[in-house]
Amino acid sequence: QAQLQESGPGLVKPSETLSLTCTVSGDSISSHCWSWVRQPPGKGLEWVGYICYSGSTNYNPSLKSRVTISVDTSRNNFSLRLSSVTAADTAVYYCARPAGDSSGYYFDHWGQGLLVTVSS
Amino acid sequence: SYELTQPPSVSVSPGQTARITCSGDGLPRQYGYWYQQKPGQAPLLLIYKDNKRPSGIPERFSGSRSGTIVTLTISGVQAEDEADYYCQSADSATNILVFGGGTKLTVL
Repeated sequence: QAQLQESGPGLVKPSETLSLTCTVSGDSISSHCWSWVRQPPGKGLEWVGYICYSGSTNYNPSLKSRVTISVDTSRNNFSLRLSSVTAADTAVYYCARPAGDSSGYYFDHWGQGLLVTVSS
Repeated sequence: SYELTQPPSVSVSPGQTARITCSGDGLPRQYGYWYQQKPGQAPLLLIYKDNKRPSGIPERFSGSRSGTIVTLTISGVQAEDEADYYCQSADSATNILVFGGGTKLTVL
């Protein structure tokens, strides 16, 4: 049973880069795709992007110019970098494991979430 | 852009049946998925591939599809089912993943 845990700063200044890491236990980072989903306070879920073991990535078009997701197989974790943040990027950030295949991906394992606030 | 539309809220009395719909033009080509989210918790997968339940999900949760609409049905609603429910699917051309706006289920 895979377990995911987000880590990183809870406060980021406007215009800076948000950097989060998701550590995976009970599963190999090399065996699946891995994703980030965020949720602004009081609002709905927004998919950020995913990276697969092959190295291929797919990002939400609304964030694509600012997002990078990468994998560190030696540490069994994956990371999110979101550049040029504004207050609109304040959200709970979840890491999640997509399951499924080309017929459709869904999220069967989630981290507990990490609130990141963008403020000076 | 690909969008999924859900009603903002649904209210039912305990023991009744709640139905939450999710509509999207791409749904006939891609499966629908459902999540339950309670305050302060991560989402929980309830239904995958339109109508399949992961192990551990009670049988009162079921999913169905008709054309461009997928529906989550909760039979015999219990107080503990009060939560936000999200549908999710994908754009078949780009594999972009999309969530619906969420539906708040209130148990009266």
